[in-house]
Amino acid sequence: KAGVTQTPRYLIKTRGQQVTLSCSPISGHRSVSWYQQTPGQGLQFLFEYFSETQRNKGNFPGRFSGRQFSNSRSEMNVSTLELGDSALYLCASSVPTSANTGELFFGEGSRLTVL
Amino acid sequence: AQTVTQSQPEMSVQEAETVTLSCTYDTSESDYYLFWYKQPPSRQMILVIRQEAYKQQNATENRFSVNFQKAAKSFSLKISDSQLGDAAMYFCAYRGDFGNEKLTFGTGTRLTIIP
Repeated sequence: KAGVTQTPRYLIKTRGQQVTLSCSPISGHRSVSWYQQTPGQGLQFLFEYFSETQRNKGNFPGRFSGRQFSNSRSEMNVSTLELGDSALYLCASSVPTSANTGELFFGEGSRLTVL
Repeated sequence: AQTVTQSQPEMSVQEAETVTLSCTYDTSESDYYLFWYKQPPSRQMILVIRQEAYKQQNATENRFSVNFQKAAKSFSLKISDSQLGDAAMYFCAYRGDFGNEKLTFGTGTRLTIIP
């Protein structure tokens, strides 16, 4: 069974640009969550999608957005990039049913550098 | 809001010895999940062990075990017979009950294995 796949793995952007990151969850997983990881702030929750609906949102500005498609694939977008957006962006998928184990499965992440 | 605290930024242990990583959390919920995730230098977050709050028995996975003290809101990880491959960042994480896929992470503990 393929794991969570994130693309691209690495990217470099300049301030003011926008970026779109993609996440393909494990087959059968319908919930996708996004996290930002930085040395200073650690791992912070961005948002979670289930059945194409955003169910939960972290404390990030409106420049951070996301969406989920009918096949459960998800994208997140960051507009008007700032230097502080440089981070590892992690995607995680899960089976949000009452019978699940509670575990989230993570991808390898997309490393964004903003110059 | 839930918080997770890991008070040990770095730990080291001799190969084959035992090490315990500490984690405390704060929540007003009665049902929840606790996890220890490992993030090796390759970056992919891997689940080490999970604990459901309603279970009194401490979880065990081979060389990994937890000491879950619900009243004290403590969730420590014990690694026995430490191996070189155990070197990584270890994150303690909290997840609320069904329907809430958000993970709240601690700041992590960097574990070094001394040959």
